[in-house]
Amino acid sequence: KNEVEQSPQNLTAQEGEFITINCSYSVGISALHWLQQHPGGGIVSLFMLSSGKKKHGRLIATINIQEKHSSLHITASHPRDSAVYICAPYGGATNKLIFGTGTLLAVQP
Amino acid sequence: ETGVTQTPRHLVMGMTNKKSLKCEQHLGHNAMYWYKQSAKKPLELMFVYSLEERVENNSVPSRFSPECPNSSHLFLHLHTLQPEDSALYLCASSLNEADTQYFGPGTRLTVL
Repeated sequence: KNEVEQSPQNLTAQEGEFITINCSYSVGISALHWLQQHPGGGIVSLFMLSSGKKKHGRLIATINIQEKHSSLHITASHPRDSAVYICAPYGGATNKLIFGTGTLLAVQP
Repeated sequence: ETGVTQTPRHLVMGMTNKKSLKCEQHLGHNAMYWYKQSAKKPLELMFVYSLEERVENNSVPSRFSPECPNSSHLFLHLHTLQPEDSALYLCASSLNEADTQYFGPGTRLTVL
C-alpha cells in the first residue's frame, strides 16, 4: 500500500465548478504540501500546512492530522487551473517529502 | 518564475556520453534537491544537500553523481546512462530541509 493516496487520479470539470482533490496518508507527518505541476514540468508549491485551513485566492487547503487526510479545493474553476496536483506529506520514517502520484485535472471551458 | 533555474532544459544523450545538469538558486536557501520524475510515477527523491553537505542518497545508481560546490549551485553528473534513465530531472531548493521547496523547470533527459 502506498504511503500517500490521492483521489481522484483524473478529474474533468466544467469551468466554474467547485473542485475537491483528496489526499490520505499513512505516516506521521509534521507538515503537508500541495504542489501544482503544469504541462511541461514546472512545479509550483501552493500550500504548506500543518493544521487547519489555508486559503490563497480561489484555492483552499485543509488538513485533519488525526484522520491523516487533507483536501485541496478550487472554487470557480478555470481552464488555467488544468494541471497535475500533487500531495506531499513531510515526515515518515525518512523525515522527507513523500509524493503522491498526483491528480490530473482538466477544466473545460 | 520560482528563482530556481536549470540548464539545459532538454538533453539527448547516448549511453556512452558524459553530461552534466546544472541547477542554480540565489534565494539564500540552504537545502537543494535532485528529483527524478518518470512517466506515470511519483516524484522520486535522488539527493539532498544541506549546507553543501550531502544528507540523503536514496540508493541512486553510481552513474548519477551529484556535486554541490556552494550553496547556490548543484550539479548532477551523468555517465553511461541507460534508456530507462530517460525522465524529467527536477531541482528544488528550500530555506531549510523542512521548509517549502521551490522547484526549477526541470531538464527533460532522453537516453538513446
